[in-house]
Amino acid sequence: NAGVTQTPKFRVLKTGQSMTLLCAQDMNHEYMYWYRQDPGMGLRLIHYSVGEGTTAKGEVPDGYNVSRLKKQNFLLGLESAAPSQTSVYFCASSRRERSYNEQFFGPGTRLTVL
Amino acid sequence: GNSVTQMEGPVTLSEEAFLTINCTYTATGYPSLFWYVQYPGEGLQLLLKATKADDKGSNKGFEATYRKETTSFHLEKGSVQVSDSAVYFCALTQGGSEKLVFGKGTKLTVNP
Repeated sequence: NAGVTQTPKFRVLKTGQSMTLLCAQDMNHEYMYWYRQDPGMGLRLIHYSVGEGTTAKGEVPDGYNVSRLKKQNFLLGLESAAPSQTSVYFCASSRRERSYNEQFFGPGTRLTVL
Repeated sequence: GNSVTQMEGPVTLSEEAFLTINCTYTATGYPSLFWYVQYPGEGLQLLLKATKADDKGSNKGFEATYRKETTSFHLEKGSVQVSDSAVYFCALTQGGSEKLVFGKGTKLTVNP
């Protein structure tokens, strides 16, 4: 099993450009998440999904959109990139259980917006 | 709202030293508590967890005890190795919520 994979690993954008980050998981997990990691800020939840066709806002959703058309994929879009969106982006997935379920993380995408 | 506060780093230790990374939390009710570790260039992975008061989570020589009276979940290891160099994140989730709340992370460097 590959676990959680992210594409691309690195990207440089100019202000105003758009892009889509792809996350894929092969563990048949119901839940998927997008986080951003900034120095001294820990991880902050951008958007998440509790199932195919559903999405919800996290802590810092502004400037991002997401889609979950297939259970195994979760896409994060930046319609008009800004320098404030320079960050490392992590995708994660987990099973749906009544009690806590472990989140499995991808290796990250390092995005720089000039 | 829920929050996690962990000691700021960086922490630098010599091999075989004792490690403590402090973590305290604010939450209503009875959260579940976790330590995640991020090795250089990688994503996070679960290190250990505790789901109720007085539970002790342990893994790879690391331990943390869920202390409800002090709202703490401090990470300890008796003898660190160079391979333990990483960033450690304390986190909580509550009531079956699918969302994790993370602390800001503590970078640990272990020198030979």
